[in-house]
Amino acid sequence: GDSVTQMEGPVTLSEEAFLTINCTYTATGYPSLFWYVQYPGEGLQLLLKATKADDKGSNKGFEATYRKETTSFHLEKGSVQVSDSAVYFCALSSSSGNTPLVFGKGTRLSVIA
Amino acid sequence: DTAVSQTPKYLVTQMGNDKSIKCEQNLGHDTMYWYKQDSKKFLKIMFSYNNKELIINETVPNRFSPKSPDKAHLNLHINSLELGDSAVYFCASSHLDQPQHFGDGTRLSIL
Repeated sequence: GDSVTQMEGPVTLSEEAFLTINCTYTATGYPSLFWYVQYPGEGLQLLLKATKADDKGSNKGFEATYRKETTSFHLEKGSVQVSDSAVYFCALSSSSGNTPLVFGKGTRLSVIA
Repeated sequence: DTAVSQTPKYLVTQMGNDKSIKCEQNLGHDTMYWYKQDSKKFLKIMFSYNNKELIINETVPNRFSPKSPDKAHLNLHINSLELGDSAVYFCASSHLDQPQHFGDGTRLSIL
């Protein structure tokens, strides 16, 4: 079945450091790919998405590019802030709509001042 | 306006009890979901409903019974609660190929 593998955390960075969280997937067909973020004590919020190969999703300084050749969707940010501390989830949806998300195990990011 | 709202936010109860969690969305979406997040933060789909009809049941014990009275509501009833049911339960909704919107979660603790 479909699966998502993301790097294990926790990841601890100093403010203004560069962030990469790796995510690879296994899926049949052409999945849509997502990054969700969960701030402490809150629900999941969509951070960014990409629906086809070579699409780049971006939001709040975060970016991820859908790489079909490497089945990857790595999350990057050039300069993290303390407020970015959260758990980040990579996820896929196997078809065009209304199908459940398959999540990676989440990566906890802590940014220290 | 809250898009996907769940109640209660916290639920503490004893083993063997029966409890319900409610979910409502005001986005006009036609598909709703329940996910379970375990203590290690792993998220897994439990159920999916489309226009009040069950379309996915991911081998969840039959102590869990979802009910969708209309397409804006998807409630989760759990019978005979067990220690292993302790988790955070998230409701979500979506429409066509748009991303899912999540509620804030219900943290269920079994004593």
